[in-house]
Amino acid sequence: KNEVEQSPQNLTAQEGEFITINCSYSVGISALHWLQQHPGGGIVSLFMLSSGKKKHGRLIATINIQEKHSSLHITASHPRDSAVYICAVRPIKAAGNKLTFGGGTRVLVKP
Amino acid sequence: EAGVTQSPTHLIKTRGQQVTLRCSPISGHTSVYWYQQALGLGLQFLLWYDEGEERNRGNFPPRFSGRQFPNYSSELNVNALELEDSALYLCASSLETGNEKLFFGSGTQLSVL
Repeated sequence: KNEVEQSPQNLTAQEGEFITINCSYSVGISALHWLQQHPGGGIVSLFMLSSGKKKHGRLIATINIQEKHSSLHITASHPRDSAVYICAVRPIKAAGNKLTFGGGTRVLVKP
Repeated sequence: EAGVTQSPTHLIKTRGQQVTLRCSPISGHTSVYWYQQALGLGLQFLLWYDEGEERNRGNFPPRFSGRQFPNYSSELNVNALELEDSALYLCASSLETGNEKLFFGSGTQLSVL
């Protein structure tokens, strides 16, 4: 079993729909990252969380440390949100950004 | 302000050859991280450099190595290339070690034939 599991693996939504991506992990962590990877490979860091909730525009990320679970929500989804979303954790014992990554969730938003 | 830059963007090599990939971090960032994204395997941590020293490495053989220069730019060297080294190699930088936001480069796509 992977230390970081994401669900779903693939998601198709209609423009305007609310999207939720889930991330569960099995180790104690000091931080969790949500990353966005567009076709072509470039990665953008969306959020870094250690507790609670963060919001940026139409994106919301939450984390429950006790339940070892995080969610990324996209409100009013748009075709430009189509990308792979990757959850990554920094285990407590890890130094620096020696992150462990989930397998990614491929999101397609149709107009 | 320039982001993290990587070169080259694409590279084709044959088995047994050696390759050097380059990364320039965002100005002021002292930590540089290398990650490998192989098809079907997802992202994996490779190496971390900070202040010119290797601080940590992932589960990769010694033929993966690198260095960080006084200007904080970094090189990743891969010797004796194998077919399974074909992957997107991503560099990221951050302000300090630990829980800091990462900024990624666009990556180098390496194909080993």
